[in-house]
Amino acid sequence: GAGVSQSPSNKVTEKGKDVELRCDPISGHTALYWYRQSLGQGLEFLIYFQGNSAPDKSGLPSDRFSAERTGGSVSTLTIQRTQQEDSAVYLCASSLLLGADSPLHFGNGTRLTVT
Amino acid sequence: DQQVKQNSPSLSVQEGRISILNCDYTNSMFDYFLWYKKYPAEGPTFLISISSIKDKNEDGRFTVFLNKSAKHLSLHIVPSQPGDSAVYFCAVLNRDDKIIFGKGTRLHILP
Repeated sequence: GAGVSQSPSNKVTEKGKDVELRCDPISGHTALYWYRQSLGQGLEFLIYFQGNSAPDKSGLPSDRFSAERTGGSVSTLTIQRTQQEDSAVYLCASSLLLGADSPLHFGNGTRLTVT
Repeated sequence: DQQVKQNSPSLSVQEGRISILNCDYTNSMFDYFLWYKKYPAEGPTFLISISSIKDKNEDGRFTVFLNKSAKHLSLHIVPSQPGDSAVYFCAVLNRDDKIIFGKGTRLHILP
């Protein structure tokens, strides 16, 4: 069956450029999360969406980062004016609901390299 | 300020023996705990969870133990198999429905 799909799988960009990362969650999943994993670090929470509620953006590291979720399905994470410290693997996950008893299903991530 | 701490970056265990991965958390209000497993170039996959009303949950070779007074949980894998070599992340569900992860422990199963 279809899992969470992320594109591109790899992205190399020059410092200062904008990038868009895409996530297609599992059909019917109402909750969608973005995390990033920098080298040697754990998974850092960025943002989550739940249904039509306002997203929880509390993990976004700066105003260069933004995310949208259109029609309750596909999500795009945008990083403006990329910096070298933005280099990381960006992981998207979806779950049927928010909360307990609804585990996250992760995509394989987008590896972003800022040169 | 780490809310979820996995103090062992790596662990090596002989095949067939027990693997014990540890995790400490800081907030006694957390009430749901999870373990995820990650292979290289793949996203993490859910392994097992436990709520704070229990102190043990078992699923096949995997058992999670929760010690609320010590704010500590552990994952036991027995017997350990080569396919268990991966990075294991401990995670907690906080009151804002955010899942907060530790830094992970890399488990090596030795032949």
